[in-house]
Amino acid sequence: GNSVTQMEGPVTLSEEAFLTINCTYTATGYPSLFWYVQYPGEGLQLLLKATKADDKGSNKGFEATYRKETTSFHLEKGSVQVSDSAVYFCAPMDTGRRALTFGSGTRLQVQP
Amino acid sequence: NAGVTQTPKFQVLKTGQSMTLQCAQDMNHNSMYWYRQDPGMGLRLIYYSASEGTTDKGEVPNGYNVSRLNKREFSLRLESAAPSQTSVYFCASSGPMNTEAFFGQGTRLTVV
Repeated sequence: GNSVTQMEGPVTLSEEAFLTINCTYTATGYPSLFWYVQYPGEGLQLLLKATKADDKGSNKGFEATYRKETTSFHLEKGSVQVSDSAVYFCAPMDTGRRALTFGSGTRLQVQP
Repeated sequence: NAGVTQTPKFQVLKTGQSMTLQCAQDMNHNSMYWYRQDPGMGLRLIYYSASEGTTDKGEVPNGYNVSRLNKREFSLRLESAAPSQTSVYFCASSGPMNTEAFFGQGTRLTVV
């Protein structure tokens, strides 16, 4: 099955700093890739996705590009806000089970 | 639009007790999932159901059973709760391949 490696957190940044959260994965074939975000006390919400190589997913200023050669899907944002403080999960789709495989999550803390 | 609804939100059980976690979705999705979330481990798949009438084991099925009662509902049962099952449980559903999964708000279960 799939596996995911995410950079360990917490990542602490000042407001307006540049964010990168690294994600690499192993999978059979070329799965769709997702980033989910979890705000304190809530369930997971889709942040962005990419379904094929070289696709770029984007939402709310966040971006990630499907890199088939390096099996990576790094999350970036040019200028973070305090409201971006949350836990971020990288998740490839297991094409056999049609279920998401999650990384351990990266906690982002943005300070004013 | 309710999306995915889980009940209860919180539960405390004594070791050996049984209980059923309920999940319902109103998006006419074929696929439904149960995950557990533990600190530092991301979300791990317990069971999934690709369609009404079918269920399959995920990564960590031991100690759990599931029922896909109809297209809307997918329940998770703990027959004899153990402290190792203390966790936050999330139900999710998804539609066609490559589309996002929608998550419920979670059930925080403590087994003492």
